[in-house]
Amino acid sequence: SQQGEEDPQALSIQEGENATMNCSYKTSINNLQWYRQNSGRGLVHLILIRSNEREKHSGRLRVTLDTSKKSSSLLITASRAADTASYFCATDKGASYIPTFGRGTSLIVHP
Amino acid sequence: GAGVSQSPSNKVTEKGKDVELRCDPISGHTALYWYRQSLGQGLEFLIYFQGNSAPDKSGLPSDRFSAERTGGSVSTLTIQRTQQEDSAVYLCASSSSQVMAYEQYFGPGTRLTVT
Repeated sequence: SQQGEEDPQALSIQEGENATMNCSYKTSINNLQWYRQNSGRGLVHLILIRSNEREKHSGRLRVTLDTSKKSSSLLITASRAADTASYFCATDKGASYIPTFGRGTSLIVHP
Repeated sequence: GAGVSQSPSNKVTEKGKDVELRCDPISGHTALYWYRQSLGQGLEFLIYFQGNSAPDKSGLPSDRFSAERTGGSVSTLTIQRTQQEDSAVYLCASSSSQVMAYEQYFGPGTRLTVT
């Protein structure tokens, strides 16, 4: 069963707007990661946030983690057409080093 | 440096045939993962190798699926007597347990179609 679930399933915005995607999970985690996937092939790692961290930034990306709500958000600011992709969150928990992926959010950025 | 590579990139096979999918991880990465992704779905974990430890096979969907990792490097995923429901993209990832723990580097995948 999926540990993390992304919301919304699909998001369509105009270039220049911000895009926010959310990930909710069921049990306590060690780490949460966000990945991007273009054209249904390999995934690219974006950000890893540990359970004792609350916020991380990388360029136009901002990730927050709220362990009390068991949720995370990925914000992409000033979106570009090239940001069009599917975005997945992945969590790992306990002694397992195997990340569990959600079903992803499909983001379309219109030029 | 070279990333994770997978071969073949596409494979079409007839139902009932065996297939082998290959993954070359990043040199020096001790952890290797296999996932499969059906159309429009998330990633389904299949198997995990870490160094010389026994692999975690908990995600393999049936005994028709098996995987090996030779010399701590190249891995082969074998599917015997393929079924149409095996059609998916099979993704391999590797990671270093020593730097940026758990960040995975993915290969481009093998798209398997069973006819």
